[in-house]
Amino acid sequence: ETGVTQTPRHLVMGMTNKKSLKCEQHLGHNAMYWYKQSAKKPLELMFVYNFKEQTENNSVPSRFSPECPNSSHLFLHLHTLQPEDSALYLCASSPPTGGNTEAFFGQGTRLTVV
Amino acid sequence: GQSLEQPSEVTAVEGAIVQINCTYQTSGFYGLSWYQQHDGGAPTFLSYNALDGLEETGRFSSFLSRSDSYGYLLLQELQMKDSASYFCAVYYNQGGKLIFGQGTELSVKP
Repeated sequence: ETGVTQTPRHLVMGMTNKKSLKCEQHLGHNAMYWYKQSAKKPLELMFVYNFKEQTENNSVPSRFSPECPNSSHLFLHLHTLQPEDSALYLCASSPPTGGNTEAFFGQGTRLTVV
Repeated sequence: GQSLEQPSEVTAVEGAIVQINCTYQTSGFYGLSWYQQHDGGAPTFLSYNALDGLEETGRFSSFLSRSDSYGYLLLQELQMKDSASYFCAVYYNQGGKLIFGQGTELSVKP
């Protein structure tokens, strides 16, 4: 248990559906991240939030919409996804600023788009 | 640009020592981190090098040379449970980004 909780763990959705992924941490961290990991692929950074403000959008398609209502919660809203969006979506959090920035990851949501 | 390069696969036998290299082409970062990810699991933090030199944590050690833009993770006394993917990562203050290398899949054989 890393202290970062993601729900749901598994999600199957159609291309016309709208769904949301949730991430929650109570570690006192102020930085939160969404990553996409396709099969046998590296971790692709999608979004970064620092102190609830989005500081990075790594050229992510608009069908992925992040939301960070407070420092403890992060959402990823999904709509009109494509089959190639099927992947493991990982949320992470870390203490603010640099130095030994140890990131804590949730267990991920395994998303399948059909 | 920001890029980190690692070998895609490494194979070793139980009890051996293996070194996983990471070269980077980047600037303005704080240091080099290493993460382990077992198949189907979440990445977990292993080590961090802010300064040049060797950091040792049990069977695992990590090294950084900023002048050579190079680092490595050294795993000693390999065990079957060490079979996993290993990622190097750097944190950039601009944008607060944590960027990962492509990962090295380590297979430990009996």
